[in-house]
Amino acid sequence: DSGVTQTPKHLITATGQRVTLRCSPRSGDLSVYWYQQSLDQGLQFLIQYYNGEERAKGNILERFSAQQFPDLHSELNLSSLELGDSALYFCASSTLAGGPSYEQYFGPGTRLTVT
Amino acid sequence: QKEVEQDPGPLSVPEGAIVSLNCTYSNSAFQYFMWYRQYSRKGPELLMYTYSSGNKEDGRFTAQVDKSSKYISLFIRDSQPSDSATYLCAMSSMNRDDKIIFGKGTRLHILP
Repeated sequence: DSGVTQTPKHLITATGQRVTLRCSPRSGDLSVYWYQQSLDQGLQFLIQYYNGEERAKGNILERFSAQQFPDLHSELNLSSLELGDSALYFCASSTLAGGPSYEQYFGPGTRLTVT
Repeated sequence: QKEVEQDPGPLSVPEGAIVSLNCTYSNSAFQYFMWYRQYSRKGPELLMYTYSSGNKEDGRFTAQVDKSSKYISLFIRDSQPSDSATYLCAMSSMNRDDKIIFGKGTRLHILP
């Protein structure tokens, strides 16, 4: 158990809908990273937050947004969902402050299915 | 050319064999090289990381980096059925505005 929690585990929704994925980092970790994993693209970095502020952006679509709250949990919002958004979404956390961290602890993921 | 290339496998080897997993990359700015293990229906977990070139050993696992060839390897000695998983290489320059690039992963099956 990495100490990172994600909810829900599974999500099935229809095209055009909006969903929110939630992540709680390990105790004491200030950085949260969001990743998308699909068979085609592998694990793709989406966005990083550090102590409530956006720190780095990766291949995140404009339909997607995220935020980190004062209690350090983070939410990833996916809107106008398309079939191609079906994937595993992982959250990871780390203790390091700036930029990417080589030591990230991953949550169990949320499996999103768009029908 | 993709930044990181990794053979997806699957790779099946008998228990006790030495396993070699590899990745190639194109970005010479990469300085940190990592291997993550991902069991089915779980998140990736960090196995090892190496800075710059050279070897690093941790128990049955050895990571090698050859920056001149832009080639990294993970060796697993005395492989066990519990090593069956997907192994992802990852790398980054670790500059502030950089990101970690992951390989697509190699599926490994250790046959009892």
